[in-house]
Amino acid sequence: QSVLTQPPSASGTPGQRVTVSCSGINSNIGSTYVYWYQQLPGTAPKLLIYRNNQRPSGVPDRFSGSKSGTSASLAISGLRSEDEADYYCAAWDDSLSGWVFGGGTKLTVL
Amino acid sequence: QITLKESGPTLVKPTQTLTLTCSFSGFSLSTGGEGVGWIRQPPGKALEWLALIYWDDDKRYRPSLKSRLTITKDTSKNQVVLTMTNMDPVDTATYYCARDTTRYGVDVWGRGTTVTVPS
Repeated sequence: QSVLTQPPSASGTPGQRVTVSCSGINSNIGSTYVYWYQQLPGTAPKLLIYRNNQRPSGVPDRFSGSKSGTSASLAISGLRSEDEADYYCAAWDDSLSGWVFGGGTKLTVL
Repeated sequence: QITLKESGPTLVKPTQTLTLTCSFSGFSLSTGGEGVGWIRQPPGKALEWLALIYWDDDKRYRPSLKSRLTITKDTSKNQVVLTMTNMDPVDTATYYCARDTTRYGVDVWGRGTTVTVPS
């Protein structure tokens, strides 16, 4: 069972906007930054969002992140077929002195 | 360009010790703020963080696995080694190493190496 809680699945049609939620507690999301990763089938995770809402170079601005209290969200606008992947949130947990991940959300583009 | 690559055995028998090596380039573990960590992913399951070593040799471990894990670095070789003792079939997973920085978090990942522990 993962420390951060994500919905197991999400879906949308091309062009739509979808959001993926991530819930934690005070010792992780509530007190540190949130990170988001995209994992395409059979590949390693790729950093999408760091420090709650920052995009690494090369990540399209269709991807955006936000955080409020002990929850965070990843939004994908202008959904494309190539966005079909698993999405994971992560945060440093001050109590555990380590990284914690969400259980992952499988995004299907209908 | 930053790259990381995991290497080690693909098959480990129960009770044996797993030794994985992460060879990296494009950054140095002698630079302040840099670290290398290990994360695993059992087949069809979520990511699970295991361990992390910082440039100053500070080490962090997943609490539930701390007694079985050891992480070390060889700065001159640009390598980080993870050992996990007393392997069990539930440890079957793809093991990733990744750069871990104070600014970007876990940002660049290796391609992963699959380790199977037969039952």
